[in-house]
Amino acid sequence: QVQLVESGGGLVKPGGSLRLSCAASGFTFSDYYIYWIRQAPGKGLEWVSYISSSSSTISYADSVKGRFTISRDNAKNSLYLEMNSLRAEDTAVYYCARPLATSSSTVDSWGQGTLVTVSS
Amino acid sequence: QSALTQPASVSGSPGQSITISCTGTSSDVGGYNYVSWYQQHPGKAPKLIIYDVNKRPSGVSNRFSGSKSGNTASLTISGLQAEDEADFYCGSYTTRSTFVVFGGGTKLTVV
Repeated sequence: QVQLVESGGGLVKPGGSLRLSCAASGFTFSDYYIYWIRQAPGKGLEWVSYISSSSSTISYADSVKGRFTISRDNAKNSLYLEMNSLRAEDTAVYYCARPLATSSSTVDSWGQGTLVTVSS
Repeated sequence: QSALTQPASVSGSPGQSITISCTGTSSDVGGYNYVSWYQQHPGKAPKLIIYDVNKRPSGVSNRFSGSKSGNTASLTISGLQAEDEADFYCGSYTTRSTFVVFGGGTKLTVV
């Protein structure tokens, strides 16, 4: 079955950096767009970024543009999110998510999430 | 402020039906049949329960149904059960650069 496992979260000071990883299994990773979606404590879902199957198309939410970089390694079935210049408002659980169809806007598989806390 | 508008909370008694609305614009909900609904229990990842406005993934109870009229989509849960108590989020494709937009979420309480 589809499995997405995030790692790399933790406590970081404002202005700091963190790199999240997502290990995928149970499906042909290289066929799918993959998304990062976050959820601040007690808040709703916010789409953060997506990357196409071949990495040719990448998009970011305005709130992270210029600070976050998404990438993938299809040989390793892995997705990454490099986060720089972190702010308190980036504190959230970050989910790696797979769409229902290869590039659909509907998410049918989610990881368990990794918590990023930005605080001094 | 979320791009899609949902009521903050709804409640119902076991066996009753409830409906949660999700209002967007012609750039998202109203313009495309790519509305999805997610159920999230505390401490868990969201779970897809409705996609493409009114389709149910395999394994999802037929007590969950979706519909759309204009810029507003709706999720109806019939025959409420205690285990339905959770947060519900709508999502939609959007022509804006974000590609996907979500509602702010609705907390369902089964009293």
